Amino acid sequence: DQQVKQNSPSLSVQEGRISILNCDYTNSMFDYFLWYKKYPAEGPTFLISISSIKDKNEDGRFTVFLNKSAKHLSLHIVPSQPGDSAVYFCAASAKGGSEKLVFGKGTKLTVNP
Amino acid sequence: DAGVIQSPRHEVTEMGQEVTLRCKPISGHDYLFWYRQTMMRGLELLIYFNNNVPIDDSGMPEDRFSAKMPNASFSTLKIQPSEPRDSAVYFCASSLGTLNTEAFFGQGTRLTVV
Repeated sequence: DQQVKQNSPSLSVQEGRISILNCDYTNSMFDYFLWYKKYPAEGPTFLISISSIKDKNEDGRFTVFLNKSAKHLSLHIVPSQPGDSAVYFCAASAKGGSEKLVFGKGTKLTVNP
Repeated sequence: DAGVIQSPRHEVTEMGQEVTLRCKPISGHDYLFWYRQTMMRGLELLIYFNNNVPIDDSGMPEDRFSAKMPNASFSTLKIQPSEPRDSAVYFCASSLGTLNTEAFFGQGTRLTVV
């Protein structure tokens, strides 16, 4: 049973436009969420995180939004750049991040020049 | 620091053989994680250590899998005997401080069992 779901295996956007990657979770105990980015033949790298006490966290071009009632979070990338093309993993944890991370299957983002 | 170092990068082995994957975490990090990535299941946590002590191995799929961390700078993941369904990319990661502070991943070992 997938507790963290990324329902879109892939997403394609034009350079300069907004990329929106979505993630849903089923475990109401999750209260800490992270996004990782992964390039081919490399390990995932941490991108941004959010605690359930917030509904938004911003870091440069990257913003994560959390909707606790809907058990949904999204990652916005504005503006998208070709270098953003990668697989993005959503991950969640309980107890303020003290429980182990549960990852989604990832969404492959392609940003076209 | 060179980051998390995994070896080998690629491993092809025959079914039934023993496979050992190696990991050197970032110096000073006190958490070490082993993950497996497959198309079907995505990224799964197999086991993690804190200060060299295994804390949670509930993700280890079977008794054929074992992991050790004899010291703060080295960990192994062993599969014995290996099976074709073990084919995946195995990642090691390390972090400093609480469990889910930013974890740094190695480049992974692509394992193919034929």
